[in-house]
Amino acid sequence: KNEVEQSPQNLTAQEGEFITINCSYSVGISALHWLQQHPGGGIVSLFMLSSGKKKHGRLIATINIQEKHSSLHITASHPRDSAVYICAVSVPSGGGADGLTFGKGTHLIIQP
Amino acid sequence: NAGVTQTPKFRVLKTGQSMTLLCAQDMNHEYMYWYRQDPGMGLRLIHYSVGEGTTAKGEVPDGYNVSRLKKQNFLLGLESAAPSQTSVYFCASSWLGGPVTRGYEQYFGPGTRLTVT
Repeated sequence: KNEVEQSPQNLTAQEGEFITINCSYSVGISALHWLQQHPGGGIVSLFMLSSGKKKHGRLIATINIQEKHSSLHITASHPRDSAVYICAVSVPSGGGADGLTFGKGTHLIIQP
Repeated sequence: NAGVTQTPKFRVLKTGQSMTLLCAQDMNHEYMYWYRQDPGMGLRLIHYSVGEGTTAKGEVPDGYNVSRLKKQNFLLGLESAAPSQTSVYFCASSWLGGPVTRGYEQYFGPGTRLTVT
């Protein structure tokens, strides 16, 4: 069973700060996902990556397959970035469907 | 497009009662999933489906049954609800063979908050 560990569990920062959230996993994966969950509960997929780096606006996600580690960075953080950020990995199942194994999430608060 | 929708949004059940949660997607996705989210536990996969008429067990399938009679719908059933099934339930769907940049990105519904007393 793949274990997905995130750090930190909670993070409070000031507006404008550079944010880094880390994720490590224990066994091989087909892809790693970063998800965002706002206080209202909805979950949105931010990135799915299997190698290298992806950037979308102020968000950057990187993955190191050899080290089984990924990071999510937020540049110029803003209070609207406050949310729970969840790392998840795709683990190929017998039928080919990649059900996700999730970390417990990082609760991020950006103060004005 | 509505994306992924879930019905109902909230429900309170008594122990032993049964209910069905409905998930619908209008993106023609092949794969659909049911997850539960509990405090301190993260999301966990209950059951999933790789296509119409097929279902499979995930990490925590006990006490639940599912059906995928139509491609766009994935039903999660609780035959005899227990307090341990109090949770927030999320449905998700994903493509098969979509654009390379999409891969198997999953699209989530808004969730159903279920309380079993």
